[in-house]
Amino acid sequence: SAVISQKPSRDICQRGTSLTIQCQVDSQVTMMFWYRQQPGQSLTLIATANQGSEATYESGFVIDKFPISRPNLTFSTLTVSNMSPEDSSIYLCSVETGPKAFFGQGTRLTVV
Amino acid sequence: AQTVTQSQPEMSVQEAETVTLSCTYDTSENNYYLFWYKQPPSRQMILVIRQEAYKQQNATENRFSVNFQKAAKSFSLKISDSQLGDTAMYFCAFMIPGAGSYQLTFGKGTKLSVIP
Repeated sequence: SAVISQKPSRDICQRGTSLTIQCQVDSQVTMMFWYRQQPGQSLTLIATANQGSEATYESGFVIDKFPISRPNLTFSTLTVSNMSPEDSSIYLCSVETGPKAFFGQGTRLTVV
Repeated sequence: AQTVTQSQPEMSVQEAETVTLSCTYDTSENNYYLFWYKQPPSRQMILVIRQEAYKQQNATENRFSVNFQKAAKSFSLKISDSQLGDTAMYFCAFMIPGAGSYQLTFGKGTKLSVIP
């Protein structure tokens, strides 16, 4: 199993600003995943982050809007840039071991 | 592309009773994994149960069990002796392992309410 610490747990941000979400894992993992969960919806994969290489983005998500860092095997950040109210969602990081996916507590973002 | 369908947006069950949540999926792959995740109001996604497609035996975890019908591409979750703490969104998910990628595809979820 893996224990994932994600922060902040929630934030309210002004439109046009950026927010960086951090994800810390208690063990080394090859891949980390970032998901978005819009209100009342299921989870949608934003990107896959490998240590030492560029993140791989899913259709509809671009690096300029959601830059990701993966400086080592236990840590990753997702930045939501130039935010608009449409970015109001829960953002979750996830890791896979086994294969089983484990999730952070999620970040509830509200853009006003 | 893989798809996961949960046809029940909401369900309710009396405490101590049994409830079954439905999930169907579509894939041309033969090797894959299926999962049920629970998301209570705290937002934490919690793994409930996992099924490997190559296993005919249905997975069980305490009060949670699945009915895996590979030919029908059906993967339902049965919760026995429902408890108030089972109130949550339940997501069915699908994963194809390979090439170092373990991307999950989620259904839209079923909101389960356990009534005292």
